[in-house]
Amino acid sequence: NAGVMQNPRHLVRRRGQEARLRCSPVKGHSHVYWYRQLPEEGLKFMVYLQKENIIDESGMPKERFSAEFPKEGPSILRIQQVVRGDSAAYFCASSPAGSLTDTQYFGPGTRLTVL
Amino acid sequence: AQSVTQLDSQVPVFEEAPVELRCNYSSSVSVYLFWYVQYPNQGLQLLLKYLSGSTLVKGINGFEAEFNKSQTSFHLRKPSVHISDTAEYFCAVSDGGTSYGKLTFGQGTILTVHP
Repeated sequence: NAGVMQNPRHLVRRRGQEARLRCSPVKGHSHVYWYRQLPEEGLKFMVYLQKENIIDESGMPKERFSAEFPKEGPSILRIQQVVRGDSAAYFCASSPAGSLTDTQYFGPGTRLTVL
Repeated sequence: AQSVTQLDSQVPVFEEAPVELRCNYSSSVSVYLFWYVQYPNQGLQLLLKYLSGSTLVKGINGFEAEFNKSQTSFHLRKPSVHISDTAEYFCAVSDGGTSYGKLTFGQGTILTVHP
């Protein structure tokens, strides 16, 4: 029973490059959340997606960040023109029904380093 | 808006001693409360959650937490810790203002168990 998969686990980019982070939810889960963990801080909500729909992107920076969860394939978090401040661990979580009481199952995270 | 405060950033303790990790929250609506554990370089794993009913919640690995509505607290306890409990612990609340599981996390508490 595979859990949430994220790749790559570590990603190094130079300032101005693009970063693409992938998340495959638990099989059968159609609800995905992305969180960002900055150094010395807790996780901060970024975006909530259902298949083919963005439900809540209130935690996403307005520029350079985008997310998608297509009908087929993994969810993608895309950061264009990365800056040093984007260096963080990005976690994806999935849940079966997306409800308030659901347990969210977290992936191991992608640690992004911007040089 | 909701917020979660974990009162201790680091808690050192000796093996087999009891431990309490403190969590306070603020919210103007009903909340659901969670404790997650993060081992080094891994994703978050659910320890326990409070949804309703009995205020004492038992979780995995011998942990338990007590929901106290009047004090808006949800402290995590374990009567006797092991070296393997060394990890970072996060308290989180589900946003009662939405219908989905948008989690707000505390800053985390690093528990270090010494032999």
